[in-house]
Formats: sequence, C-alpha cells, structure tokens
Amino acid sequence: GAVVSQHPSRVICKSGTSVKIECRSLDFQATTMFWYRQFPKKSLMLMATSNEGSKATYEQGVEKDKFLINHASLTLSTLTVTSAHPEDSSFYICSARDQVPSFENEQFFGPGTRLTVL
Amino acid sequence: GQNIDQPTEMTATEGAIVQINCTYQTSGFNGLFWYQQHAGEAPTFLSYNVLDGLEEKGRFSSFLSRSKGYSYLLLKELQMKDSASYLCAALDSNYQLIWGAGTKLIIKP
Repeated sequence: GAVVSQHPSRVICKSGTSVKIECRSLDFQATTMFWYRQFPKKSLMLMATSNEGSKATYEQGVEKDKFLINHASLTLSTLTVTSAHPEDSSFYICSARDQVPSFENEQFFGPGTRLTVL
Repeated sequence: GQNIDQPTEMTATEGAIVQINCTYQTSGFNGLFWYQQHAGEAPTFLSYNVLDGLEEKGRFSSFLSRSKGYSYLLLKELQMKDSASYLCAALDSNYQLIWGAGTKLIIKP
C-alpha cells in the first residue's frame, strides 16, 4: 500500500527557533499534499494544501509567513514553523493524494510529528 | 456552513457490536471516509462510501445515506485493540476533507 513518511517524529525546540518537518511519499507520486494540525482530543484541522511546483493554499486563519510550505517534488513537501512559540506546540500530520487518484480518493497519512515548543 | 457531527465518546464491551453514527452537511459531496486513530498516531483508513448502502470489510462495515446526510460505522466482535478514536470525514465539492471531531471508543472487558 501507499506509504507516507514524516520526519522528525518528535521535536522539542526553544521559543523563537524554526522547525522544519518533512513529508515524503515513498512509493507513489503525490501532486497534492495536505498539512494538518491536531490539538489534544480535537479533530484534524487542515492548515494548507500543497501542490507540487506551485504555492500552497492556506486555510483561513493560518499565517502563511509563519507556516512555510514547500512542495518541491512529487514526493516531498516540507512545513517550516518559523519563530515557533509555545502555542504552536501540536501534532502536525501530513497526507498525500496519489497522482493517479484511486476510486476512493484516498489520502494517505504520515505518522505525524509531535512539536513541543518550550 | 460545513459541519460533521458524531458522538464524542462511546463505551462497549469486548465481543459486542457497536455503531458509530455521523451526520454531515457539506458544500457538495464526493464521498465519506471513516478513519481510525490511536492516541498519538496518525489516522488510518477504514472505509470510503460514495454510493448509498452498506460496505462490509471483515469486522467493520460502513453505511451511507446521501439523502439523509448520514453514515455509520459498525464494528463487530469488538476487540480491546479497537479502542481508539474513529473519525468521520466528508469530501466536499472541492475534494477537501471536512473532519468530524472524532468518537472515542472505549472497549471494556
């Protein structure tokens, strides 16, 4: 089946630093990748939709200058949390849709990255 | 607006059957997903329905009624490992997933 990896799985950083999270589709090409944030006991919240070779589309209320997204290839998208603050601490999950969409229009999820900002 | 409703928490007994309901209101509709999410992990795909009716996959079945904006996930022969959150998500006209808050299922021996 389709596999999506994320790196790192956990990161702890100091307030004011920047953190980069990588999302890779390992055995398929993904023209579209999605970045979600999930707070404890809450639902997934879509932050942005990333299309290969073009600018990401951000959801309302998500600061594009703070959450930088780069989708440089069909297998890699990165999310950089710039000048992170404690309120940015969350579980960040990426997902990818196969370039050749299945009947199920399925998104394949990465394992998530737990970010803790001290 | 777009909205997904599902119960916050349910409790069931090992070996029993449980039905998790989900109602949705979206701008257009291109199908409904159920995902399982264990604490601290990413969601894993369970099912996808785009046509009315029941889809069965082993111990798990999913039902959809488009006219009622309603779906349910049916879990049979419950096992302790089924304790998790179950997320209902509808695909809108722009092929964006609209997520419910999830139903935490607690399985008791």
